[in-house]
Amino acid sequence: GAVVSQHPSWVICKSGTSVKIECRSLDFQATTMFWYRQFPKQSLMLMATSNEGSKATYEQGVEKDKFLINHASLTLSTLTVTSAHPEDSSFYICSARVTSGSYNEQFFGPGTRLTVL
Amino acid sequence: RKEVEQDPGPFNVPEGATVAFNCTYSNSASQSFFWYRQDCRKEPKLLMSVYSSGNEDGRFTAQLNRASQYISLLIRDSKLSDSATYLCAVNTDKLIFGTGTRLQVFP
Repeated sequence: GAVVSQHPSWVICKSGTSVKIECRSLDFQATTMFWYRQFPKQSLMLMATSNEGSKATYEQGVEKDKFLINHASLTLSTLTVTSAHPEDSSFYICSARVTSGSYNEQFFGPGTRLTVL
Repeated sequence: RKEVEQDPGPFNVPEGATVAFNCTYSNSASQSFFWYRQDCRKEPKLLMSVYSSGNEDGRFTAQLNRASQYISLLIRDSKLSDSATYLCAVNTDKLIFGTGTRLQVFP
């Protein structure tokens, strides 16, 4: 299957700093990528849909000014958590969608574990 | 009401047991359905897609009931290695996950 990478795999930062997470599709192009967040013992919650060359679409309750998404190329989407606080500590997972005719599948990155002190 | 609902479990079963998970969804326009497996601190991995006709992959059988808006996953002859969280996911223009059902298989 298609491979999606994320970088970094984990990050620890001080409160108030910004953190950038990269999501790359390694062997395919993805016009659409998705960003999820997962708190301990909870499910993956969709944060936003990242569209190449256009603005991201955010889910209700997700602050677009706090979680900046950039999808400048067909293989890279970035999520920047601005002015991070301890409550932003979570597991952030991206996915990239492959669509061909009726075929539609998402491939997930390995996730980034963010800890804000 | 959540878009996708699952019993969080945990389901504790002995090796060799048969276990079934159900999942309900609220959006009747949902187009495709999946079961994922997620191990602790890892990303979800696609286990199988779910079709109305039902589909089977080894010890795993998935079923979709569009009229009642639920999907199911049956695991036969449980192995220790099946211990994980099983997430159902429903796709319209985006993939929405259920809360996941934790399965623990013991010797």
